[in-house]
Amino acid sequence: DTEVTQTPKHLVMGMTNKKSLKCEQHMGHRAMYWYKQKAKKPPELMFVYSYEKLSINESVPSRFSPECPNSSLLNLHLHALQPEDSALYLCASSQDIGAGSVSYEQYFGPGTRLTVT
Amino acid sequence: EDQVTQSPEALRLQEGESSSLNCSYTVSGLRGLFWYRQDPGKGPEFLFTLYSAGEEKEKERLKATLTKKESFLHITAPKPEDSATYLCAVPGGSQGNLIFGKGTKLSVKP
Repeated sequence: DTEVTQTPKHLVMGMTNKKSLKCEQHMGHRAMYWYKQKAKKPPELMFVYSYEKLSINESVPSRFSPECPNSSLLNLHLHALQPEDSALYLCASSQDIGAGSVSYEQYFGPGTRLTVT
Repeated sequence: EDQVTQSPEALRLQEGESSSLNCSYTVSGLRGLFWYRQDPGKGPEFLFTLYSAGEEKEKERLKATLTKKESFLHITAPKPEDSATYLCAVPGGSQGNLIFGKGTKLSVKP
């Protein structure tokens, strides 16, 4: 099973709201990722968690706050977003993060379509 | 700088008309090359990993090949359900974060 699940599928929020995106995987993967994807663009990396610890933050604004409660779950807390933050938010997981000459394929969830009004 | 370039940006085929998509890469020390398929509004679906020049992998009507500078995704006798955007990615940087190409949007008409 290579399934990554994400909830909700769609989310509309105002600029003053607080909401959270959730991601879950049961493949025993130790690395989990958040990506942002705008229309007709490739996914853009936001955060990487390795063994439940934040490994990479790609200079993402503080209005996005990731959390990894355990090895199977990944959350993205949203607060005071801007309309330009509207996008498809993708979660992914892989067996581990790459190191040296080793790399691992990432499996993506279906995404959350976020609209900020 | 690590870079991935995909061509063409868009490809229109008739059902049954075979063709190839190209992914050229510049990376210091290739640690694998990944192909994904993405349907509109959905997350990318993993297709193949290629690790070394000369390697080939197949899945149904798709065949991926790898050289030292580029990868090809060959589509044999495509069907309308093969219509999607195909993304190529390579691990880059010290932690192997995926560097994506901009994708090739494939449309197969019946």
